[in-house]
Amino acid sequence: GAGVSQSPSNKVTEKGKDVELRCDPISGHTALYWYRQRLGQGLEFLIYFQGNSAPDKSGLPSDRFSAERTGESVSTLTIQRTQQEDSAVYLCASSLGTELNYGYTFGSGTRLTVV
Amino acid sequence: GENVEQHPSTLSVQEGDSAVIKCTYSDSASNYFPWYKQELGKRPQLIIDIRSNVGEKKDQRIAVTLNKTAKHFSLHITETQPEDSAVYFCAATYQAGTALIFGKGTTLSVSS
Repeated sequence: GAGVSQSPSNKVTEKGKDVELRCDPISGHTALYWYRQRLGQGLEFLIYFQGNSAPDKSGLPSDRFSAERTGESVSTLTIQRTQQEDSAVYLCASSLGTELNYGYTFGSGTRLTVV
Repeated sequence: GENVEQHPSTLSVQEGDSAVIKCTYSDSASNYFPWYKQELGKRPQLIIDIRSNVGEKKDQRIAVTLNKTAKHFSLHITETQPEDSAVYFCAATYQAGTALIFGKGTTLSVSS
């Protein structure tokens, strides 16, 4: 596609429910990143995928968070047993590869509200 | 791991004035420092970046400077305009194959 696509754009869920967020990167982009942005806060790194290498999960805040990516395409971020502190915008980004001159292209994000 | 501190958190200037945002990083091995601009309700977009073998880089009204000894880098915006109003994020990474670590952002308000 022309850009990074994320769905849903908005999600309201009840505390304790599981949610799944989806990211479609730009075609041909081998690297994919998930970040969390709480209201008025910075971008908090969650997880990073590069090709078929093992993902860098060092940013995941708890074992309730997990993510998968099929090859170099779609990624899903799953949050189990959601808590109110999980409310945030979840941003996905992709880049051509891991070279430093490959800037990130961000999606529009999924705004998650846990009530 | 890398840690990036960004200051100030908010900055208000008059149209035409200059704005400066400063970031410090912790990992001396970091060698790539991009800046992203996020307008209200929109996605972050890359506006300029610098690598550790360069001390300064300019692109029209924006420039970035890097001081590797002090481990800090700054964004300079000259002749500010109302459309420069946004949140600006600095970031750093120390090698290819690792994710960018972002600062907490600076909300820039340019009043006319």
